[in-house]
Amino acid sequence: EADIYQTPRYLVIGTGKKITLECSQTMGHDKMYWYQQDPGMELHLIHYSYGVNSTEKGDLSSESTVSRIRTEHFPLTLESARPSHTSQYLCASSELLAGNEQYFGPGTRLTVT
Amino acid sequence: GEDVEQSLFLSVREGDSSVINCTYTDSSSTYLYWYKQEPGAGLQLLTYIFSNMDMKQDQRLTVLLNKKDKHLSLRIADTQTGDSAIYFCAETSPNSGYSTLTFGKGTMLLVSP
Repeated sequence: EADIYQTPRYLVIGTGKKITLECSQTMGHDKMYWYQQDPGMELHLIHYSYGVNSTEKGDLSSESTVSRIRTEHFPLTLESARPSHTSQYLCASSELLAGNEQYFGPGTRLTVT
Repeated sequence: GEDVEQSLFLSVREGDSSVINCTYTDSSSTYLYWYKQEPGAGLQLLTYIFSNMDMKQDQRLTVLLNKKDKHLSLRIADTQTGDSAIYFCAETSPNSGYSTLTFGKGTMLLVSP
């Protein structure tokens, strides 16, 4: 069983608030990812990291930012939440070697009112 | 960019076999995956296949790969109501440096009693 955790699981917040979605994994994986999943099920990669102090933008442009100060922790921050940020956010991790088998957290469902 | 296509919906009766199909465009795809997502949860890796294989069987799951047609399928034998979920096909290749996965949009499988 994968040990990757996300908090909070659900968040309802007003427009303009700053929020941080937490993601942590205990598997020692170097690579971590953030996906945004729209109601139509499609997954969009918004950020990923190869390891500590590495962050890369994904395929979908996002107003969010990420940091990777510790191997096990990959938080995502929105400085000013807007209703268009309402979505499901999924965090994942994988080993650095080729194969890229990704383990997913349970997700955070964000609603911005 | 590279693309992965899946049909969006499949409905079967309990006890029947389900076949979920996927096509991809990247001829250098090396690893191909099937993930399952249950309601309100993250994605769970079901199985994967290397591009040098034609078939892989794991209990009720059978993966078939046709490299010539760039076609991947997932067969679930004796489908149960607990198999109702969204199934994602994904691939990774040297084109992305194996750094990311390209996901299909997901197939919603509905199993009726």
